[in-house]
Amino acid sequence: LAKTTQPISMDSYEGQEVNITCSHNNIATNDYITWYQQFPSQGPRFIIQGYKTKVTNEVASLFIPADRKSSTLSLPRVSLSDTAVYYCLVGDSAGGFKTIFGAGTRLFVKA
Amino acid sequence: DTAVSQTPKYLVTQMGNDKSIKCEQNLGHDTMYWYKQDSKKFLKIMFSYNNKELIINETVPNRFSPKSPDKAHLNLHINSLELGDSAVYFCASSHLGNSLGANVLTFGAGSRLTVL
Repeated sequence: LAKTTQPISMDSYEGQEVNITCSHNNIATNDYITWYQQFPSQGPRFIIQGYKTKVTNEVASLFIPADRKSSTLSLPRVSLSDTAVYYCLVGDSAGGFKTIFGAGTRLFVKA
Repeated sequence: DTAVSQTPKYLVTQMGNDKSIKCEQNLGHDTMYWYKQDSKKFLKIMFSYNNKELIINETVPNRFSPKSPDKAHLNLHINSLELGDSAVYFCASSHLGNSLGANVLTFGAGSRLTVL
């Protein structure tokens, strides 16, 4: 299972764009990159998943360079309610029985 | 209509007691999991079940016994509770099948267990 490295914490202000980068140097050919968001006192929630280039949905964008050794989750115009822990995971469906979460990035959005 | 529901949400008990946490999913998923999140907020996988069969037991003490009566339910029974069992326990489910992409989990709201 490919290991991921993310910043432990980040601070931002309301209305700013936030980019959280995840390193996954040992990503395998079949691996996808998945991001989850966890609010206090709640379970993690799926945000976005991608394999290469760029993926965008109503919540975030995910940028993946050609070598796929890193990825960046982009949250446009954050609000106070985006304060949460963001987890980057790397894996494929075959390894799905043992989906492992790292320490995540604690994002704190200030007014 | 909650997709993954756990009960109880809060559980306070004494050391040495036995307790259970129940989990149900209405998503039609074939795989269910239990995760433990300790005070340092690390999420650790404990068990995973696929079609009612145990697939992963991540070196969890024998005091923890999961039971899956059907694909929609995965309950967790804990015997002889210890102080170190205090944590938030999350149930999750997913559909593995032959889908492309990586596994996407849907989590419940968590059950906070406090052992005194």
